[in-house]
Amino acid sequence: DTGVSQDPRHKITKRGQNVTFRCDPISEHNRLYWYRQTLGQGPEFLTYFQNEAQLEKSRLLSDRFSAERPKGSFSTLEIQRTEQGDSAMYLCASSLTRGDLSYEQYFGPGTRLTVT
Amino acid sequence: AQSVTQLDSHVSVSEGTPVLLRCNYSSSYSPSLFWYVQHPNKGLQLLLKYTSAATLVKGINGFEAEFKKSETSFHLTKPSAHMSDAAEYFCVVSVPRGDTGRRALTFGSGTRLQVQP
Repeated sequence: DTGVSQDPRHKITKRGQNVTFRCDPISEHNRLYWYRQTLGQGPEFLTYFQNEAQLEKSRLLSDRFSAERPKGSFSTLEIQRTEQGDSAMYLCASSLTRGDLSYEQYFGPGTRLTVT
Repeated sequence: AQSVTQLDSHVSVSEGTPVLLRCNYSSSYSPSLFWYVQHPNKGLQLLLKYTSAATLVKGINGFEAEFKKSETSFHLTKPSAHMSDAAEYFCVVSVPRGDTGRRALTFGSGTRLQVQP
């Protein structure tokens, strides 16, 4: 399968613990995005990378959240001191951009986080 | 700013009957529009996209959508529903953000399609 992969698929953690999620994009894609999806809602943008540079962060991304894409390939999203409100599905997507042309985003299966 | 309104949170049809999922958008720019489908425990899959070419767009699995600028609508249709079409469907508007180079995706809240046997 050469699609976007995410690990783990499910994570249950206690309030106050730190968690880290990983996303492996489609190999030739230079852009990578993180979204959060809560129950009954569509995904909301969190942050995005072009290659290894983090170019934009949403106001939804509090100081407890950090994302990296160190070599322009896979990315990690870390949440420190988790809160119950962080419970959601975290989605990763990737896309290819060449010049002014930007192609559609391909989504991974998501990591479902439950904070107890 | 851009936004998307999916007019129905739930739609139920019988197998073999037509499907209509309604979407209205608002955008200050000429938008790109997409429909994504999300099956349980699976990732979002692109069904079709409109990017200012033909206004009637054909997608996968027999779905199509028509861009109507005068009505700011992008409704999704399928002539005959199949049991496997039961899923959550998202209408998405995409506009460029000139300051970061990103094309911002704004998702609707979704329409859950049920298909009855």
